[in-house]
Amino acid sequence: GESVGLHLPTLSVQEGDNSIINCAYSNSASDYFIWYKQESGKGPQFIIDIRSNMDKRQGQRVTVLLNKTVKHLSLQIAATQPGDSAVYFCAENNYNYGQNFVFGPGTRLSVLP
Amino acid sequence: DAGVIQSPRHEVTEMGQEVTLRCKPISGHNSLFWYRQTMMRGLELLIYFNNNVPIDDSGMPEDRFSAKMPNASFSTLKIQPSEPRDSAVYFCASSLGGAGNEQFFGPGTRLTVL
Repeated sequence: GESVGLHLPTLSVQEGDNSIINCAYSNSASDYFIWYKQESGKGPQFIIDIRSNMDKRQGQRVTVLLNKTVKHLSLQIAATQPGDSAVYFCAENNYNYGQNFVFGPGTRLSVLP
Repeated sequence: DAGVIQSPRHEVTEMGQEVTLRCKPISGHNSLFWYRQTMMRGLELLIYFNNNVPIDDSGMPEDRFSAKMPNASFSTLKIQPSEPRDSAVYFCASSLGGAGNEQFFGPGTRLTVL
C-alpha cells in the first residue's frame, strides 16, 4: 500500500520510549472507534477499538483514550519498538445509524534506534 | 487462516483501458468493502456490500466505476475507461456483520494508469 499524504503528520520517537498518537474525530454522534496500523506495502490492520460508553481501553502495549467532550481519541504505545513504525489511522462509526467507518488522515510513526 | 485475497497486486495500464480488480473475502464474512487510498485523499470508502447486495455506493466516483459481488466469496471492481487520476491503491476489506464491525483488509492492488 502506498503511504498516505505528502503532508502526513509524523511522530518520531526513540526506541523504548512511549508514543502518543492523537486523532480528532468529526462526528459527535460517532459511538465506535478503531485504531488501525498500516505498514508499508500492506493493508490497514486492526489494533484496538473502543465504544463510546468507555473512556479508556487497554491492550497489549497499547491503550486507547476517548474524550467525547472534545471529540478526541489517542493511541498510546508503550515501549515503542522498531516494528511499530507505520502509519496509524483512527476510524469513527455510528453503529446505530449503520454508517460506514470514516478514516482520519493518518499519522506516520518513526521509531529511531 | 487465509485473510482477504486481492488480485492483481500491481496493475499498470494505459488510459482508456478497462481494469478489473478482484477480491475474495474471508470465508464466513458477509460484508465486503472497496476502498481507494491516495496521497491526497487518504482512505476513502467506494462501496459496501452486505450479503452480496450493494448497500452504499455513494463513494463510487462516477459511472466509470462499477462493482459486483456475484456470490459470497468473490467481488470485482471495474474501471472502464481508466484515467490517470484513477491511479491509487485499492483495498478490499471484509467483516462479519455490518459496516460497524471490525474490518479485515486485504493487501491492496496498486493501480497505475499511464
